Amino acid sequence: AQSVAQPEDQVNVAEGNPLTVKCTYSVSGNPYLFWYVQYPNRGLQFLLKYITGDNLVKGSYGFEAEFNKSQTSFHLKKPSALVSDSALYFCASYGNNRLAFGKGNQVVVIP
Amino acid sequence: DVKVTQSSRYLVKRTGEKVFLECVQDMDHENMFWYRQDPGLGLRLIYFSYDVKMKEKGDIPEGYSVSREKKERFSLILESASTNQTSMYLCASSLNKMGASTYEQYFGPGTRLTVT
Repeated sequence: AQSVAQPEDQVNVAEGNPLTVKCTYSVSGNPYLFWYVQYPNRGLQFLLKYITGDNLVKGSYGFEAEFNKSQTSFHLKKPSALVSDSALYFCASYGNNRLAFGKGNQVVVIP
Repeated sequence: DVKVTQSSRYLVKRTGEKVFLECVQDMDHENMFWYRQDPGLGLRLIYFSYDVKMKEKGDIPEGYSVSREKKERFSLILESASTNQTSMYLCASSLNKMGASTYEQYFGPGTRLTVT
């Protein structure tokens, strides 16, 4: 069985501060991990993925994520948050030809 | 760029009506998916299809059926809509070719369905 967990419902951060959105995974075998973002009344947009290779993955809009095997984590990060980063963020893992999504994290960037 | 389109952004139907939600992708993707999204529950997979005329149940298939007659089109059918099917419905597609699969899914804009 594969699953991901996003332990926080909402993350509040001041504009210009570092942003971290947490995700832990539980998968058998090598994990394939993803981050998506959803802006209000829109579908999900792909941000980045980890399949293999470097533990630090760079993605769209200045986001990056760090794969940590010992902590079974794949946290999403951005060095300096923008108000326009306010959105819903989903972590996902791949297995059996499908993605399993976390429940999502609402990020609020305060001007 | 991959484009996934859904037939309606907003839909209001009455209890007991038959509802069709259409999804079309233009990137020749093998896999297509239907999810529903509810606050606090994230995305839950209803059905997916990895080829024309093929379908697999997801986590919550009850009350839904699907049809995939052409590679680019995947339809979700609510045979008799109920109020507990009021939700946001998202369609997605992904590439699945031997040696070329990329695993990430591309999503349409969603259909917000209200059943009264």
